[in-house]
Amino acid sequence: GNSVTQMEGPVTLSEEAFLTINCTYTATGYPSLFWYVQYPGEGLQLLLKATKADDKGSNKGFEATYRKETTSFHLEKGSVQVSDSAVYFCALHSWGKLQFGAGTQVVVTP
Amino acid sequence: GAGVSQSPRYKVAKRGQDVALRCDPISGHVSLFWYQQALGQGPEFLTYFQNEAQLDKSGLPSDRFFAERPEGSVSTLKIQRTQQEDSAVYLCASSLRQVTETQYFGPGTRLLVL
Repeated sequence: GNSVTQMEGPVTLSEEAFLTINCTYTATGYPSLFWYVQYPGEGLQLLLKATKADDKGSNKGFEATYRKETTSFHLEKGSVQVSDSAVYFCALHSWGKLQFGAGTQVVVTP
Repeated sequence: GAGVSQSPRYKVAKRGQDVALRCDPISGHVSLFWYQQALGQGPEFLTYFQNEAQLDKSGLPSDRFFAERPEGSVSTLKIQRTQQEDSAVYLCASSLRQVTETQYFGPGTRLLVL
């Protein structure tokens, strides 16, 4: 069956550091891939998405590229801010359902 | 409305009680989804509606869980005879038309069963 695996947290960074959160998936076919973010006390928000191989999703300085050959969709940001502290979820879309990873908590300190 | 809304935001139930959780999707959104998120985990799919038709209920964990969307808009997730393992955040999401489109999530209902 389908599955999503993302790196465990918490990931603690200083402001302006480079962030990478690894995400790999197992799926039949070519699902759409997503990153959602959950800020403290708030609901899930779509951060970015990619619908086919080699697509790059980007938003708010975050980027992720759909890599079919490595079945990966790693999230990156070049310079994080304290306001980026949140839990990040990688997900794939298959047959109408979103299947999520366990989430990675990111803590950015001033 | 501007976004997906859910009520109540918090619910405490005694074991064995029945609960009903409400979801108001974004106006005009055809597809509606329910997910369950246990503490420290990612959301897990429960069920999906297209208009009033429940097209997939494969994620409902037991026959104590029941969802409906009678008029193709508001949806209710009902849990009968709640158990402690039902404690979780229940998320509702909607998408505009087809099931392949982006899903927009509500704030969730946090259910605690004592």
